[in-house]
Amino acid sequence: QKEVEQDPGPLSVPEGAIVSLNCTYSNSAFQYFMWYRQYSRKGPELLMYTYSSGNKEDGRFTAQVDKSSKYISLFIRDSQPSDSATYLCAMSSTSGNTPLVFGKGTRLSVIA
Amino acid sequence: DAGITQSPRHKVTETGTPVTLRCHQTENHRYMYWYRQDPGHGLRLIHYSYGVKDTDKGEVSDGYSVSRSKTEDFLLTLESATSSQTSVYFCAISGGGADYGYTFGSGTRLTVV
Repeated sequence: QKEVEQDPGPLSVPEGAIVSLNCTYSNSAFQYFMWYRQYSRKGPELLMYTYSSGNKEDGRFTAQVDKSSKYISLFIRDSQPSDSATYLCAMSSTSGNTPLVFGKGTRLSVIA
Repeated sequence: DAGITQSPRHKVTETGTPVTLRCHQTENHRYMYWYRQDPGHGLRLIHYSYGVKDTDKGEVSDGYSVSRSKTEDFLLTLESATSSQTSVYFCAISGGGADYGYTFGSGTRLTVV
């Protein structure tokens, strides 16, 4: 079993829809949870960062962590064509030297 | 991308030749990472560095070596390129390690023919 599992999609939604992207993980030591957005032919960019459990909101984006279920989610409200990208979850334990573990990414297309 | 530059951006090379990719940062960050990204595999860690001359292997390090002789530069060398190393290579930097998040470069698209 991979440490981090993420459905690769592709996911196609109409403009204005609410999008839910998810990852599951197996390592209970993970404490830091991130979502990266990657546009085609670009490097990933950090979108959301959450420590431990709970929700974090930033504009149309909400990141949710459920450590009891080892499940994290990213919600996008009022999705726009400009949200079309690949979304990667990433997580780490408390050790600064231990690299991030990434999911494989979910490709999202928002259709106008 | 601000503070991190990868070179070259594109390269085509022949099987069996050595290839060096460069990652240069102006952020004075301690941590630097090399990933490759392939369809169906996502981002896979090749090597990383947690300080000058301090490096460690990632999950796909075979056939690759790295060097970091100064804070700002992290070099990735394919010792004898193979077609399986055709990929997009990303460098990333971090000031505090994984729990601080990474900043990625724009990538190098390498084709081995």
